[in-house]
Amino acid sequence: GAVVSQHPSWVICKSGTSVKIECRSLDFQATTMFWYRQFPKQSLMLMATSNEGSKATYEQGVEKDKFLINHASLTLSTLTVTSAHPEDSSFYICSAREATGLGNQPQHFGDGTRLSIL
Amino acid sequence: QKEVEQNSGPLSVPEGAIASLNCTYSDRGSQSFFWYRQYSGKSPELIMFIYSNGDKEDGRFTAQLNKASQYVSLLIRDSQPSDSATYLCAVNRFRGAQKLVFGQGTRLTINP
Repeated sequence: GAVVSQHPSWVICKSGTSVKIECRSLDFQATTMFWYRQFPKQSLMLMATSNEGSKATYEQGVEKDKFLINHASLTLSTLTVTSAHPEDSSFYICSAREATGLGNQPQHFGDGTRLSIL
Repeated sequence: QKEVEQNSGPLSVPEGAIASLNCTYSDRGSQSFFWYRQYSGKSPELIMFIYSNGDKEDGRFTAQLNKASQYVSLLIRDSQPSDSATYLCAVNRFRGAQKLVFGQGTRLTINP
């Protein structure tokens, strides 16, 4: 159980392109999803917390107009990197937490999306 | 002081031995604690979570929590080469908090 699917797994595109990444919880409902970015040999950096039906909460230093997040249903959140540039190249990972109402539930991670901007 | 601290390693352990991974956290009000394993180039995978003081065992893995000392550890018994990975400690700071605070991770190598 607790499977999170992330798509695509790999994207290579030209500078200036917008890229959309999907994150789906396959066998549970997730009121909260999270988007992380990870650079080589570094730990996870939380970018934003996505709540179903409301605006995402962005971490300090993360441009909300650059990284658009939509969480339209209890099983789907999307991250769109707008007008991507080479410095946006990174490993983007989503996670989802089960909406059990108990609190403190673990986050389950998708397989990640490796984004390379040429 | 970092909120969640781990020794970055690398930690080398011979195959079959016990690997001990440690994590300290600064917020005394922290409620829940998680260990994730991350293979190189892959996303994190949940290994264990623990909420109460004491030990919690799951197969070869044991999580230990000491809230008074603000310390959480992960023991891996009968270490296998496939256990070689980076282990991330994560803390949920308070009840109802949505986000986790991650440590930098400890790189573990199991030597055959």
